[in-house]
Amino acid sequence: EVQLVESGGGLVQPGRSLKLSCAASGFTFSNYYMAWVRQAPKKGLEWVATISTSGSRTYYPDSVKGRFTISRDNAKSSLYLQMNSLKSEDTATYYCARGLLGGGDYFDYWGQGVMVTVSS
Amino acid sequence: DIQMTQSPASLSASLEEIVTITCQASQNIGNWLAWYQQKPGKSPQLLIYGTTSLADGVPSRFSGSRSGTQYSLKISRLQVEDIGIYYCQQASSTPRTFGGGTKLELK
Repeated sequence: EVQLVESGGGLVQPGRSLKLSCAASGFTFSNYYMAWVRQAPKKGLEWVATISTSGSRTYYPDSVKGRFTISRDNAKSSLYLQMNSLKSEDTATYYCARGLLGGGDYFDYWGQGVMVTVSS
Repeated sequence: DIQMTQSPASLSASLEEIVTITCQASQNIGNWLAWYQQKPGKSPQLLIYGTTSLADGVPSRFSGSRSGTQYSLKISRLQVEDIGIYYCQQASSTPRTFGGGTKLELK
């Protein structure tokens, strides 16, 4: 069974940093692109980052580029999101998501999500 | 960025009714479109990818289609478990973008 379990969320002050983790199991992690998608309270979905299977390629929207860094450790089947210079508009539930095998940036499994609140 | 405009924003339908949700792309995205369902308090679930391909385990009453830059998700016979919010997403170019969502309720 595919499982994605996020951790590391919490309350953080504006301008500070936070690192999210996602532990994957039930599939060969190194074969899949992985991504982070967020959802602000009562709002829609926003793609945050995608990383290739080896980690050599990463992709971000302008809203987080230069502040967020996605990374992975295939030996540990783990995905990470380092978030720096956090802003109030980064407040959201962050989902770890698996890319569809060979299918482009479609997300076929999602974690339960972890809440990040940026507030003073 | 490619804008994805969903309609309607909300929809009330009866059991066994046919439901159609549409998503308009601001430019050509080919068949690079997915649909997700998010039930209350849950994570999103992939329903359709590549405009028409059904994801694993998704009931056959769900189907997707395209006419130009307008994409549609059809539920052939609405069931109680289909209640939730539906999102489209384009995977043609970065940034990947989602529609604003369609909230589907039971009448």
